[in-house]
Amino acid sequence: IAGITQAPTSQILAAGRRMTLRCTQDMRHNAMYWYRQDLGLGLRLIHYSNTAGTTGKGEVPDGYSVSRANTDDFPLTLASAVPSQTSVYFCASSDSVGGTDTQYFGPGTRLTVL
Amino acid sequence: GQNIDQPTEMTATEGAIVQINCTYQTSGFNGLFWYQQHAGEAPTFLSYNVLDGLEEKGRFSSFLSRSKGYSYLLLKELQMKDSASYLCAAADSNYQLIWGAGTKLIIKP
Repeated sequence: IAGITQAPTSQILAAGRRMTLRCTQDMRHNAMYWYRQDLGLGLRLIHYSNTAGTTGKGEVPDGYSVSRANTDDFPLTLASAVPSQTSVYFCASSDSVGGTDTQYFGPGTRLTVL
Repeated sequence: GQNIDQPTEMTATEGAIVQINCTYQTSGFNGLFWYQQHAGEAPTFLSYNVLDGLEEKGRFSSFLSRSKGYSYLLLKELQMKDSASYLCAAADSNYQLIWGAGTKLIIKP
């Protein structure tokens, strides 16, 4: 079982370019999440999806968009990258939102915007 | 506002015991998670507490006091592989996780 995979592992991107970070899970989890992790700060939620076909905004959604066409995939798109979006991005999933459902994380994508 | 506080860094000796504290303020509360994160890797789940008291799981234990907004992670018989960051996260009334910045634990031989 692969769990959650993310691609690419790392990327250097010119400011203004469009970029999609991919996330796929094979656990049939209902809920999926995108976080960014910056030095000295906790994980911050960008967007989430409680189930296929629905998405919601987290703490820091500006400049990012997501879609959830099916259960397995939850891509994150930066429409026009800016240097402040340089970060490590983690995708996570859980069986459902709420209760004791543990979030399981992908390996992360390290993104540098120049 | 919502806030999680935990120490930035701690140092301990191999074989010893260390306690990592976490205080939280959230809008509503639906439990407290601890995750371990090795450098350059993803966070991995360690424990979850929603009721007051101590939960023991092998060398790791986690404690929660809801009235004090306080939790700690206790690591016993420290091993070099325990060198990592430990993340505290509280679930708010919407079940969204509010994360602390993490405590970097350095284990010395």
